[in-house]
Amino acid sequence: SQTIHQWPATLVQPVGSPLSLECTVEGTSNPNLYWYRQAAGRGLQLLFYSVGIGQISSEVPQNLSASRPQDRQFILSSKKLLLSDSGFYLCAWTRDYQLYNEQFFGPGTRLTVL
Amino acid sequence: TQLLEQSPQFLSIQEGENLTVYCNSSSVFSSLQWYRQEPGEGPVLLVTVVTGGEVKKLKRLTFQFGDARKDSSLHITAAQPGDTGLYLCAGAPGNQFYFGTGTSLTVIP
Repeated sequence: SQTIHQWPATLVQPVGSPLSLECTVEGTSNPNLYWYRQAAGRGLQLLFYSVGIGQISSEVPQNLSASRPQDRQFILSSKKLLLSDSGFYLCAWTRDYQLYNEQFFGPGTRLTVL
Repeated sequence: TQLLEQSPQFLSIQEGENLTVYCNSSSVFSSLQWYRQEPGEGPVLLVTVVTGGEVKKLKRLTFQFGDARKDSSLHITAAQPGDTGLYLCAGAPGNQFYFGTGTSLTVIP
């Protein structure tokens, strides 16, 4: 079975500090991977997605970046955090059924920037 | 551009009542998913609908995909406090998933 992990679960960082959030998927190969940010109780904003190692598509211009150094590893980074970067960050992977895809989420990381 | 609009945004009902949540779009989707999310956790996939007009049932939850594959509904019969959560619909015309704005449901015992 497939599982998706995210860490850390919670993070409190000062403004201007760097960020690194990690996501790994087990039990599948060559998954499409996604980073989302969610404001409290609201829908999901797609930040980045990747269809393979080193392939990153950015949906929203901001001070965040993403990397995919290995097939099942996806990293979200920032060199200098802003207050507006606070939120709930979710990593997801998709299962491809050819005619349609299904997306599965990790447990999320709660980031608070002070 | 918000491709998927959900209504209502907030819903508070008494235990045992019925409710319907709507997910509407002007775009056609090859499939549509419904998720439930509890506070502090990731969304959990409830169902995927693929065929226009398709109806799927998951215990007290009934999901329907519109004939034109532009909209969907979620009906809950005899709501329970355990149904409380944020319900999200998502459509995937390709590799990207577009999420609705969410419906926050509270079922009062």
